[in-house]
Amino acid sequence: QVQLQESGPGLVKPPGTLSLTCTVSGYSIRNGYWWGWVRRPPGKGLEWIGSIYNSGRTYYNPSLKSRVTILLDTSKNQISLRLRSVTAADTAVYFCARDVLQQMGVNNWFDPWGQGTLVTVSS
Amino acid sequence: SYELTQPHSVSVSPGQTASITCSGDKLGDRYACWYQQKPGQSPVLVIYENTKRPSGIPERFSGSISGNTATLTISGTRTMDEADYFCQAGDSSAVVFGGGTKLTVL
Repeated sequence: QVQLQESGPGLVKPPGTLSLTCTVSGYSIRNGYWWGWVRRPPGKGLEWIGSIYNSGRTYYNPSLKSRVTILLDTSKNQISLRLRSVTAADTAVYFCARDVLQQMGVNNWFDPWGQGTLVTVSS
Repeated sequence: SYELTQPHSVSVSPGQTASITCSGDKLGDRYACWYQQKPGQSPVLVIYENTKRPSGIPERFSGSISGNTATLTISGTRTMDEADYFCQAGDSSAVVFGGGTKLTVL
C-alpha cells in the first residue's frame, strides 16, 4: 500500500523560497510512476503545480513554471518541491500524490494523496 | 488557458440522486476524473477515465460523459457524501482542475 507524507516549514517569509519534501513508503519511486504536487489555497480550489517521473522528466503548470522546481531523491524515496519568490498568494495546503499518467494531456489521475501540509507565506 | 466549469454548489436530500457537471472545450476528446474532498482531509479519487470506479469506492458513485460535459452522479446520497467535489482533466502538457462543487446533503 503506497503512502505519501509531506513535510517542511509551515511558515515562509516573502519573497523567500518554499521547500517541501514528500516521503513515499510502500513503493520504490525508482520503479516507475509519475509523482505530483497539488495545492489548495484557503477558500479556493485545487491547483496542480507539477509532476516528475522516475527518470527526472518533469512537467509543470505553465502559470508557475518560472518559479517551480520538482526533484527526486531515489536514495531516500522522496520527491521535493521548491517554489521561489513566494507571496501571500502561495499560502495553501500542499499535497503530494502519485500521478497515474496514461497519456500526457489526455488521461491522468492522482491516487493516492498525502495528508497535506499547510504553508503560510507571511512576514 | 484551458478551463473546466463546475457549478459552485449543489444541494440534495438524503436518499436522492445528486448530479455534478463538469464542462470544458473538447473535454470529450480526453478523459475526466473526479475527487471528493472533505474538510481537513486530502482528496480521494472517486472516478477515473470518465466512468471507472477505484476499488473501495461505493457503487453509488458513477461517472458519465456526453459531448463536452462529464457528470458525477451519486445515487442514494448519504449525509457522509457532503463534501467538495473536483473534476480534473489534461490539456496539452498540463493538468487542470475544475473550480469545485460544494455538495450539501440536507
